[in-house]
Amino acid sequence: SQTIHQWPATLVQPVGSPLSLECTVEGTSNPNLYWYRQAAGRGLQLLFYSVGIGQISSEVPQNLSASRPQDRQFILSSKKLLLSDSGFYLCAWTGTVNSPLHFGNGTRLTVT
Amino acid sequence: EDQVTQSPEALRLQEGESSSLNCSYTVSGLRGLFWYRQDPGKGPEFLFTLYSAGEEKEKERLKATLTKKESFLHITAPKPEDSATYLCAVTRSGGSYIPTFGRGTSLIVHP
Repeated sequence: SQTIHQWPATLVQPVGSPLSLECTVEGTSNPNLYWYRQAAGRGLQLLFYSVGIGQISSEVPQNLSASRPQDRQFILSSKKLLLSDSGFYLCAWTGTVNSPLHFGNGTRLTVT
Repeated sequence: EDQVTQSPEALRLQEGESSSLNCSYTVSGLRGLFWYRQDPGKGPEFLFTLYSAGEEKEKERLKATLTKKESFLHITAPKPEDSATYLCAVTRSGGSYIPTFGRGTSLIVHP
């Protein structure tokens, strides 16, 4: 069966520090991968998605970037965090176009 | 532009008090409608996919239905463990793999 791993679960970082969140999927190949941010009461905001290695689409201009160095690995990064980057970050994957998204357990990021 | 509106934003029920959550959508050619459950501090967990009007899916106390304009998530005789945020999302035929999500309904079931 397929599983998705996302870490760390919580992170507290000072303003101006770098960020790296990692997500890996097991049990499938060539998944579509997604990074979402969820703010309280504001729903899911799509940040990046990828349909293949090295193929990244950005949905929202911001202080973040994403990379997909391997087929089942998706990384969310920032060179310098802002206070507004605080939030709950979710990684997700899907296989076929008719399949639902499957989410990781998220990372709670607090920028201080 | 695809739109998904969920109502109510919040719902409080007594244990055993059945109710329904609504998901209204506007999409140019529905490919699929998805329901998720999200517990606090966790990622959304997939519940159901519906593809065409008239389709219904059931799982324990939950039943999802679909019309051409909306979907309902019926909760029969809820228990406190059904407390969660329920999210609805749609994908469009011929579109990308990107679903459009609603903001969710926060359900609290009191014992």
